[in-house]
Amino acid sequence: DSGVTQTPKHLITATGQRVTLRCSPRSGDLSVYWYQQSLDQGLQFLIQYYNGEERAKGNILERFSAQQFPDLHSELNLSSLELGDSALYFCASSVEQGKANVLTFGAGSRLTVL
Amino acid sequence: GNSVTQMEGPVTLSEEAFLTINCTYTATGYPSLFWYVQYPGEGLQLLLKATKADDKGSNKGFEATYRKETTSFHLEKGSVQVSDSAVYFCALSRNYGGSQGNLIFGKGTKLSVKP
Repeated sequence: DSGVTQTPKHLITATGQRVTLRCSPRSGDLSVYWYQQSLDQGLQFLIQYYNGEERAKGNILERFSAQQFPDLHSELNLSSLELGDSALYFCASSVEQGKANVLTFGAGSRLTVL
Repeated sequence: GNSVTQMEGPVTLSEEAFLTINCTYTATGYPSLFWYVQYPGEGLQLLLKATKADDKGSNKGFEATYRKETTSFHLEKGSVQVSDSAVYFCALSRNYGGSQGNLIFGKGTKLSVKP
């Protein structure tokens, strides 16, 4: 157990729907990152929060949004889902955001869009 | 831009064989370099890291040396075990919009070790 908790583990939904993925970071970690893992694109950075504030955006679609709450958990909202959004979504956390800091990953949420 | 290229798999080896997984990078500045490992059904775990040129990261018999002159960070292990079967990702950190710590990953190399 890495200490990073992601729910749900699996989610099956239909095109056009909206889902929310949840992440609880490791105790003491202030920074949360979201990544998307798919067969064709590999691991793509989506977005990062640090202590409740957005710090960096990667290849995140406009249909996706995220936030980090005062208790430091984070949610990734995916809307108007398309077949191509089917992927494994990982959350990671770290104590800070320095160049050499280590990310601790959760086990992922597998999203299937039918 | 910043990128990581690693050898495509899958790589299949017999137990006790020597392992090399090549990784090269393109980056501005001086990134930190990492190897992460993903076992089936799990998230990524840090295997080792190096933060400056000529640093050698090592863990569990794996090692990699940060070579600035060849922009490489190849992963090696002298004698692999069946339990090393996993997907290995090379990654670099970058300075992104003022925030450091975001990682750019290679596409991953799947390793299968046969008894």
